[in-house]
Amino acid sequence: DQQVKQNSPSLSVQEGRISILNCDYTNSMFDYFLWYKKYPAEGPTFLISISSIKDKNEDGRFTVFLNKSAKHLSLHIVPSQPGDSAVYFCAASLRRGKLIFGQGTTLQVKP
Amino acid sequence: EADIYQTPRYLVIGTGKKITLECSQTMGHDKMYWYQQDPGMELHLIHYSYGVNSTEKGDLSSESTVSRIRTEHFPLTLESARPSHTSQYLCASSITGVVKTQYFGPGTRLLVL
Repeated sequence: DQQVKQNSPSLSVQEGRISILNCDYTNSMFDYFLWYKKYPAEGPTFLISISSIKDKNEDGRFTVFLNKSAKHLSLHIVPSQPGDSAVYFCAASLRRGKLIFGQGTTLQVKP
Repeated sequence: EADIYQTPRYLVIGTGKKITLECSQTMGHDKMYWYQQDPGMELHLIHYSYGVNSTEKGDLSSESTVSRIRTEHFPLTLESARPSHTSQYLCASSITGVVKTQYFGPGTRLLVL
């Protein structure tokens, strides 16, 4: 049973517009959530994170929102740029720092 | 941000060969991890270590083994490679604390013929 789910395999947006990537989880014991960006044949790069005691964290063009009652988090990228095109993974922390990853969403930003 | 290195980046090898994937980090992180990822799939934790001489198996069963003799070094070994081992192997490290961020190396793409 997958504890972290990204139900949209892909997303396409126009350059300059907002990209919204979604992630759902089932385990209410998760205490920390993270977003990573990954290019093919490279390792994931950390983007932004949020503690379960917060509902929003912002870093430049990236904002993560956490809705604990819905067990849902989202990543907003504004404005989207062609260089943002990559696979985005959400991850949740359970017990001593172990991470559970979603399947990833491929974002394509069109010029 | 952590500096974490993996070698080789790409490896093509025949069935039955023994291989070791190297992972080193220079940030003094106490925790290290190995993940396996196939295209379009999530990352699966196969091994982790919370410190020297501490190793545990992850959530995904793997025929590989690991060792942690030095803080900065966390190699993964496959005694006898098989085509089913073809995958991308990602090493990560983190520091104990409230912030759970793991920092990843560039990965090793393994192809077993």
